[in-house]
Amino acid sequence: NAGVTQTPKFRILKIGQSMTLQCTQDMNHNYMYWYRQDPGMGLKLIYYSVGAGITDKGEVPNGYNVSRSTTEDFPLRLELAAPSQTSVYFCASSFQGGPYEQYFGPGTRLTVT
Amino acid sequence: TQLLEQSPQFLSIQEGENLTVYCNSSSVFSSLQWYRQEPGEGPVLLVTVVTGGEVKKLKRLTFQFGDARKDSSLHITAAQPGDTGLYLCAGASAGGTSYGKLTFGQGTILTVHP
Repeated sequence: NAGVTQTPKFRILKIGQSMTLQCTQDMNHNYMYWYRQDPGMGLKLIYYSVGAGITDKGEVPNGYNVSRSTTEDFPLRLELAAPSQTSVYFCASSFQGGPYEQYFGPGTRLTVT
Repeated sequence: TQLLEQSPQFLSIQEGENLTVYCNSSSVFSSLQWYRQEPGEGPVLLVTVVTGGEVKKLKRLTFQFGDARKDSSLHITAAQPGDTGLYLCAGASAGGTSYGKLTFGQGTILTVHP
């Protein structure tokens, strides 16, 4: 099993550009999450999904959008990139039942200049 | 809003020393997880504790969940350079509509010098 995979690994965007961060998991997990991690900080939840077709906002959703058309894939869309979105983005998944142990991808390091 | 206060934020110690990292909250969690993250990688789960008062050991690492399920600690005995990394605690909300969302502490950056 590959677990959780993310692409790209690195990306530099200009202000106002858009992009999609890809996330795929092969563990048949219903729950998936997107986080951002800023230097010296923990993880902040951007969006989450409890199954195909069902998504909801987390703590910091502004400037982002998500979709979940399949169990495996959970892409994160950045529209009109801003310098404040410079961060490392992690996708994670977990089994539907507790204790909700999450499995993380390797991350995407995004710089907006 | 649930908060997890993790301390200390930074730890720099010599090989062979012992250390303890704390996570505290005023909220009750159904489970508490500890993750370790190395530079350029995603967090990796170390352990999950689910019962108040529970103690789990993973080689030189000892994890404890508070009796009231509001706090936890990670103790490392005889730290080694390979223990260097970012340690994160995360609590899962008690409640049926939490959908597995975790509240993360700010993290502890541990550096163990040879």
